[in-house]
Amino acid sequence: EAGVTQFPSHSVIEKGQTVTLRCDPISGHDNLYWYRRVMGKEIKFLLHFVKESKQDESGMPNNRFLAERTGGTYSTLKVQPAELEDSGVYFCASSPIYLIRINEQFFGPGTRLTVL
Amino acid sequence: AQSVAQPEDQVNVAEGNPLTVKCTYSVSGNPYLFWYVQYPNRGLQFLLKYITGDNLVKGSYGFEAEFNKSQTSFHLKKPSALVSDSALYFCAVSYTGGGNKLTFGTGTQLKVEL
Repeated sequence: EAGVTQFPSHSVIEKGQTVTLRCDPISGHDNLYWYRRVMGKEIKFLLHFVKESKQDESGMPNNRFLAERTGGTYSTLKVQPAELEDSGVYFCASSPIYLIRINEQFFGPGTRLTVL
Repeated sequence: AQSVAQPEDQVNVAEGNPLTVKCTYSVSGNPYLFWYVQYPNRGLQFLLKYITGDNLVKGSYGFEAEFNKSQTSFHLKKPSALVSDSALYFCAVSYTGGGNKLTFGTGTQLKVEL
């Protein structure tokens, strides 16, 4: 079974540009999560989808971040315009619906975003 | 609110010696506790979890963790460290009624030397 995949693995952009990160969850997983780790700090929750619906977006830092999950399969996270403080590693995770109560999640390799 | 503390940024241990990576947590309900490991240039890999039941949980690669409710701790342990265990370890918690998200600690870099 393929794991969670993320693209690109690394992105370097200049301040003010736009970047779109993609996450493909494990097939059949209705839950999809985005997290972010800023250098040296904890991994922080950004948002949670159940299928195509946003269940919880309380961790989204501001309106420069837009997450979508059209059709309930893959998800994209767009940052527009990017700022220096957006640099970090963005992780995607997924889980099947029956694990939602205990929050066991399967993580992808992450996308390292560098904003210059 | 929920929080996780990993008090050590780095732990150094000699190969063959036992290792402990510390984690304490704070939640409002019954906790679900997890350990993840990140090897260089890799994603987060699940090691083990505590949901309910036996306080001693065994996981992948010979790791185990002990849930201590009175001390609100969930320390990760291994009886005999390997150089290949060198990686970044994250403790995470969620809890009943706390929403569908994990709260992570800041991570502990484990370095195992010959």
